[in-house]
Amino acid sequence: DAMVIQNPRYQVTQFGKPVTLSCSQTLNHNVMYWYQQKSSQAPKLLFHYYDKDFNNEADTPDNFQSRRPNTSFCFLDIRSPGLGDAAMYLCATSSRDRDPDTQYFGPGTRLTVL
Amino acid sequence: AQSVTQLDSHVSVSEGTPVLLRCNYSSSYSPSLFWYVQHPNKGLQLLLKYTSAATLVKGINGFEAEFKKSETSFHLTKPSAHMSDAAEYFCVVSSGGGYNKLIFGAGTRLAVHP
Repeated sequence: DAMVIQNPRYQVTQFGKPVTLSCSQTLNHNVMYWYQQKSSQAPKLLFHYYDKDFNNEADTPDNFQSRRPNTSFCFLDIRSPGLGDAAMYLCATSSRDRDPDTQYFGPGTRLTVL
Repeated sequence: AQSVTQLDSHVSVSEGTPVLLRCNYSSSYSPSLFWYVQHPNKGLQLLLKYTSAATLVKGINGFEAEFKKSETSFHLTKPSAHMSDAAEYFCVVSSGGGYNKLIFGAGTRLAVHP
């Protein structure tokens, strides 16, 4: 089945220690998104890629970076995690050409910062 | 600008009884509307979407939603709740444009009791 995969599902890091979260997709979608979801809140969009074109949300902290080396993979880098960055991180994809309105989500990575 | 209001933060039902989760939206054009479900520590799963083809939209797992333009509502219903329906439900509107930024409601937590 075509899907969005996130690794790892659970990540523990130390305060200030860089961490990278991974997302891959077999849907061949040209748009990939990263969301942050804190407890009991709705997901918050951090940024997205349309192909290799990176689009940052205005209120995304500089501490968050992203890379998309190819169509299938996208990474979220947190340069110096703080306690406030503990959250679920969700990757999503969509096809701008076929169905731009619908996003498909991965299972998420739960980040804990000690 | 688009916005979504979920009228109930928590809904509790007994197994086998109907489910109603309420959502009102605001949009300056004919919107695309979605319901997503999120089980604990999981990603978001698309339940159904409205894209102006038919006002009554059927989704997965027996859920359906009716788009009512005059009431600017998109309520989610299910005739008979199952224990496995216990989860967080998000009503979502698409911002439109070249890529769709999703505007999330605050979420409704559905509890199902035996």
